[in-house]
Amino acid sequence: QSVLTQSPSASGTPGQRVTISCSGSSSNIGSNPVSWFQRLPGTAPKLLIYFNNQRPSGVPDRFSGSKSGTSASLAISGLQSEDETDYYCAVWDGSLNGWVFGGGTKLTVL
Amino acid sequence: QVQLVQSGAEVKKPGASVKISCTASGYTLTSYAMQWVRQAPGQRPEWVGWINGGDGNTKYSQKFHDRVTITRDTSANTAYMELSSLRSEDTAVYYCARDNFLISFDPWGQGTLVTVSS
Repeated sequence: QSVLTQSPSASGTPGQRVTISCSGSSSNIGSNPVSWFQRLPGTAPKLLIYFNNQRPSGVPDRFSGSKSGTSASLAISGLQSEDETDYYCAVWDGSLNGWVFGGGTKLTVL
Repeated sequence: QVQLVQSGAEVKKPGASVKISCTASGYTLTSYAMQWVRQAPGQRPEWVGWINGGDGNTKYSQKFHDRVTITRDTSANTAYMELSSLRSEDTAVYYCARDNFLISFDPWGQGTLVTVSS
């Protein structure tokens, strides 16, 4: 059983708002801040959200993050075709004493 | 701007070792930590370990702790990740990424493909 669980896929139409979830436990999401990454095909991951809801400079405010209990979410509003790619969550796990990543969610823009 | 440039693709035989470099530009290695992550085809990213660029302290994933060594050369502004006793399951793209203890994994290197095959 994986430590962090993401839905394998999500979809939306241009302009819509889509939410991607990441479910963990008390040893990871429940006690540490969550980061979110976007991975375009053939490229390295890009940090979208850190510390649950903070955006690095240059990341559009269409991307937002939240956390509640042992779950976290990434919301993308005003969906665009270029948002169609894979998204991953990551967090420090105090029991494993290491970083853990979600299995990724493939976002399709219909 | 801040950039991490990794060494090129490697092909290794089972049992061999591989050493990947990650050269930082636009900032001083000693002011940040460096993370290492790998992603095998169709798999989730997997944390390998990290090094404190300032004092050289390291922390490794329990999964790799007996096979991985992360080092740095401050004069070259470069971090290294060496993985030994390679097996086919180690075939993956290996990434370095900067960490300032608040903002982790930003930015990432371009990745280094390591293929382990007999």
